[in-house]
Amino acid sequence: DADVTQTPRNRITKTGKRIMLECSQTKGHDRMYWYRQDPGLGLQLIYYSFDVKDINKGEISDGYSVSRQAQAKFSLSLESAIPNQTALYFCATSDFRGGTQYFGPGTRLTVL
Amino acid sequence: KNEVEQSPQNLTAQEGEFITINCSYSVGISALHWLQQHPGGGIVSLFMLSSGKKKHGRLIATINIQEKHSSLHITASHPRDSAVYICAVWRGDSGGGADGLTFGKGTHLIIQP
Repeated sequence: DADVTQTPRNRITKTGKRIMLECSQTKGHDRMYWYRQDPGLGLQLIYYSFDVKDINKGEISDGYSVSRQAQAKFSLSLESAIPNQTALYFCATSDFRGGTQYFGPGTRLTVL
Repeated sequence: KNEVEQSPQNLTAQEGEFITINCSYSVGISALHWLQQHPGGGIVSLFMLSSGKKKHGRLIATINIQEKHSSLHITASHPRDSAVYICAVWRGDSGGGADGLTFGKGTHLIIQP
């Protein structure tokens, strides 16, 4: 089984809908991250968490919120989806600051 | 200007060729990462380095901290090496305490048989 999983893998939704993307990991890492990838722009950090009590904004947090339900679970929510949030979303984990990051398979989100 | 620049953006080569992908950065860093993104989208970490050189199989990564430059080399390239290669930096404490990586836009490599 994969160490970092994401659900759903693909999602098509409409403008204004609330969407939750979920990430689970079995690596036992405290650090978890959400990134988005847009064609031609590279990955950008949305939010990151050091533990269940520590949530931090990244470069592009506007329009997103997160929840760290447990060490193993980190969810990303789009409260009211808009078309420019159409992108590939990745969850990642790390066991120390600046360390190797382990990525989930990604969620392809399309907002119509 | 992006903090992390990669070159070339696209590279097509023949099987067996020696491949070099370059990464330059304009900020202070504590570590540099090379990642590989497969055509299906999955991302795998290849190297993390803060100085010198690392080697894994046919892949070699080097970094020159003074020149703020890193290279990823692939020897005896093979069609299965076709992927997007991404350079990313971790700024550490010079990033204001923020965690997470800052990414280049990637180099799209195609190795033809």
